[in-house]
Amino acid sequence: DVKVTQSSRYLVKRTGEKVFLECVQDMDHENMFWYRQDPGLGLRLIYFSYDVKMKEKGDIPEGYSVSREKKERFSLILESASTNQTSMYLCASGGLNQPQHFGDGTRLSIL
Amino acid sequence: QKEVEQNSGPLSVPEGAIASLNCTYSDRGSQSFFWYRQYSGKSPELIMFIYSNGDKEDGRFTAQLNKASQYVSLLIRDSQPSDSATYLCAVNVDSSYKLIFGSGTRLLVRP
Repeated sequence: DVKVTQSSRYLVKRTGEKVFLECVQDMDHENMFWYRQDPGLGLRLIYFSYDVKMKEKGDIPEGYSVSREKKERFSLILESASTNQTSMYLCASGGLNQPQHFGDGTRLSIL
Repeated sequence: QKEVEQNSGPLSVPEGAIASLNCTYSDRGSQSFFWYRQYSGKSPELIMFIYSNGDKEDGRFTAQLNKASQYVSLLIRDSQPSDSATYLCAVNVDSSYKLIFGSGTRLLVRP
């Protein structure tokens, strides 16, 4: 079975903090993705990566950056957290022409 | 703007009935189509994917694809209360690994 592990289920941070969300997959997948999910807005793609050290902007990259130093790990960084970044963050991974599989999600609250 | 449309529901069916969930998409270049199930407070779970026109069956689930009509559906036979969840349709974009998700249809199976 595909295993995508996100480092935290729940996280509370303060505005202005730099926040790191970590994601690790064990299936040697090339592609990894970060989404956020908000009521009424659905799933929106923040960033994705199709190879180590490669990254592409998704639909809502503003305020975020990513890092992929190793194939199995994809990190999402909130450079200076703001209250409008309170959300459920979902990491997914997928192989070439394969479906995406999601981690359990991180529910992030910015106070 | 490429879009994936789903009726938000709720779709209410009695236990044992067939639930039919529908999805339309705007990108004629889309080649990969996915159905995810999401329970409240949980992350999306892949249940079906389909790449070719026609039907694909897996247990109680059947995915149907009609590329000419840009329409994909999910049938759930012998619906169970445990099937009550939100079902997300996802479609790849620009022949890439990126997915666009519909906003989901909430299914309620009444005992």
